[in-house]
Amino acid sequence: SYDLTQSPSVSVSPGQTSIIDCSGHKLGDKYVSWFQQRPGQSPVLVIYQDNKRPLGIPERFSGSNSGNTATLTISGTQATDEADYYCQSWDNRLAVFGGGTKLTVL
Amino acid sequence: QITLKESGPTLVGPRETLTLTCNVSGFSLSTSGMGVAWIRQPPGKALEWLALIYWNDDKRYSPSLEKRLTITKDTPKNQVVLRMTDMGPVDTGKYFCVHNVVGAGGGWFDPWGPGSLVTVSP
Repeated sequence: SYDLTQSPSVSVSPGQTSIIDCSGHKLGDKYVSWFQQRPGQSPVLVIYQDNKRPLGIPERFSGSNSGNTATLTISGTQATDEADYYCQSWDNRLAVFGGGTKLTVL
Repeated sequence: QITLKESGPTLVGPRETLTLTCNVSGFSLSTSGMGVAWIRQPPGKALEWLALIYWNDDKRYSPSLEKRLTITKDTPKNQVVLRMTDMGPVDTGKYFCVHNVVGAGGGWFDPWGPGSLVTVSP
């Protein structure tokens, strides 16, 4: 089975840049989505097809994907960005999720 | 506006079969390029994809749970149903119904329903 690995936690100060990584074998050959999940809420799509933002998602959210690592970058991190973030990709048309990264804004 | 809403039992017994229904609106289950997935989340844990059904009735299942899962759709009723057999305590969690836009490499999941909390207990 295909695995996606994420660091369990990332901490940043308000206004700083948050970097959340997701690694998998030849992940750069696949498309990656990113989801934000605030406590008690359903996940929300923030990036799809590696670097596209859905309508309504702030420009401070961006994504990249190359080699074995996909990255979600949040510029000028705000307190409201504190949440769990999940990467997701596909392996032979089967969906796979990473284990999630808890972003703490100190 | 696309919306999805899950419904089903909040409590199931060990070894019983769980049946969850997803009512969708804002799109047709027969619209080309659309799908509906089920994704679950145990308390305090990560998301886990379970199954996906496409507009053309093509189906995909998580390899680790395939033997226990059945996904079907009723297009006129705008419903997608997930059945999971032989439920156990590890199956406790929130079950989400999610719209899938089929695209290159598999597409993306958006939006998500509010989720249905299922507890497995005697």
